[in-house]
Amino acid sequence: ELKVEQNPLFLSMQEGKNYTIYCNYSTTSDRLYWYRQDPGKSLESLFVLLSNGAVKQEGRLMASLDTKARLSTLHITAAVHDLSATYFCAVETSGSRLTFGEGTQLTVNP
Amino acid sequence: SAVISQKPSRDICQRGTSLTIQCQVDSQVTMMFWYRQQPGQSLTLIATANQGSEATYESGFVIDKFPISRPNLTFSTLTVSNMSPEDSSIYLCSVESVGAGVRYEQYFGPGTRLTVT
Repeated sequence: ELKVEQNPLFLSMQEGKNYTIYCNYSTTSDRLYWYRQDPGKSLESLFVLLSNGAVKQEGRLMASLDTKARLSTLHITAAVHDLSATYFCAVETSGSRLTFGEGTQLTVNP
Repeated sequence: SAVISQKPSRDICQRGTSLTIQCQVDSQVTMMFWYRQQPGQSLTLIATANQGSEATYESGFVIDKFPISRPNLTFSTLTVSNMSPEDSSIYLCSVESVGAGVRYEQYFGPGTRLTVT
C-alpha cells in the first residue's frame, strides 16, 4: 500500500522567512503533484513533477522531485500572508489514481 | 485546463436518504474520478468512473454505498446512499485527459459539501 507522508503538518512562519515542506512516499511513481487548498475551497494545482531531478518554480514557491529518494520538497521563499493555505502533495500511481499526503497547514504571520 | 462544475455545491440531508452529485466538464476527458475529503482531513479516492462500464472502486468503498455513473466523456454522477452523519464530507470530482501521446494534469472540481443530520 502506498504511503505518502508530509511534514510538517502545521507550519506557522513569519513573513519574509523561508521554509521547506517535505513529501515522502513509499513506492515508485510517474508523477507527483502539489496542490493548494484555501479554507472552504477546492484544490488548485500548483505543480506537477514528472521526472527525477525535476524542479519547477512559480513566484515564491519552488518544487523539486528526487525519485530515487522518493522525496519531493516545496520550498517557500520570503513568505507573504497570501501564501497561508493548506498544501497537499499527491502521488500518482497506475490508472492516474492519486494518493494524497496529510496536508501541511501553513500560516504566515505579519 | 478543463472547466469543471459540480451540482449541488452544498446540501444538508437527513440520515437514511440518498444524494446524487453531478460533475460536468466543458470538454471531453479521458479519466474521471471521485474523491472524498472528510472534515479536517486529506483527500481519499473513492473510485474511477469508467465511461460505459462499472466504476472501479478503491478498498473500503463499495458500489451499493457509492453508485457511480459515467454515460459519456463529459459527465459523471456519484450517489451517496443511505446516508449517515459519517458521510458528511466534501465530495470532489477530478478529471485527466490523455491525447496524442500526451498526458495532461489532473484538475479538481469545486466540490460538493455534504452535511448529514
